[in-house]
Amino acid sequence: GENVEQHPSTLSVQEGDSAVIKCTYSDSASNYFPWYKQELGKRPQLIIDIRSNVGEKKDQRIAVTLNKTAKHFSLHITETQPEDSAVYFCAARGYQKVTFGTGTKLQVIP
Amino acid sequence: KAGVTQTPRYLIKTRGQQVTLSCSPISGHRSVSWYQQTPGQGLQFLFEYFSETQRNKGNFPGRFSGRQFSNSRSEMNVSTLELGDSALYLCASSLAGTSGGAYNEQFFGPGTRLTVL
Repeated sequence: GENVEQHPSTLSVQEGDSAVIKCTYSDSASNYFPWYKQELGKRPQLIIDIRSNVGEKKDQRIAVTLNKTAKHFSLHITETQPEDSAVYFCAARGYQKVTFGTGTKLQVIP
Repeated sequence: KAGVTQTPRYLIKTRGQQVTLSCSPISGHRSVSWYQQTPGQGLQFLFEYFSETQRNKGNFPGRFSGRQFSNSRSEMNVSTLELGDSALYLCASSLAGTSGGAYNEQFFGPGTRLTVL
């Protein structure tokens, strides 16, 4: 089945700096890659997603890149703010199900 | 539109007991997926229901089961509880599900925090 690896598990950045979270997947049939943000005690919420026919997608300070050949995708957050502090999950959707990474705890230091 | 709701929000059970969790999807959504979330393990897929049929299943023992009703509400049951079943159980609904060619966004509920003593 699909296996999704996510790195790093924790990430601390200074406010205003950029943060990058990387994920790799194993199933070449995966065709949809969402990213979720989960604040402490809250439910995961979709922040951005990308389909396999697109290499990059941007939404304000958030961008996601996808390299299908290497089977990896990354989340980029620019100009980080304290409210960006949360756990971020990547996921890969293959034919059968959505597989999540183990999460990255991002801490933005004011 | 009301979001995904889950009941109860918190549960405390003892080993050997069984538990039933409920999930009400967003109106019009026909797919409900269940996930187990534990520290360090991320979200582990349990199963997905679509139009009252289990469409996909994760790698969990048969103690974990579920069902979906005609109004798309779903229940998850865990029998013979073990200490390791303590977790946050999340359900997520989407319009048409997560398999096949659909790119439907999943909306998560607030979760049910299960503690097994």
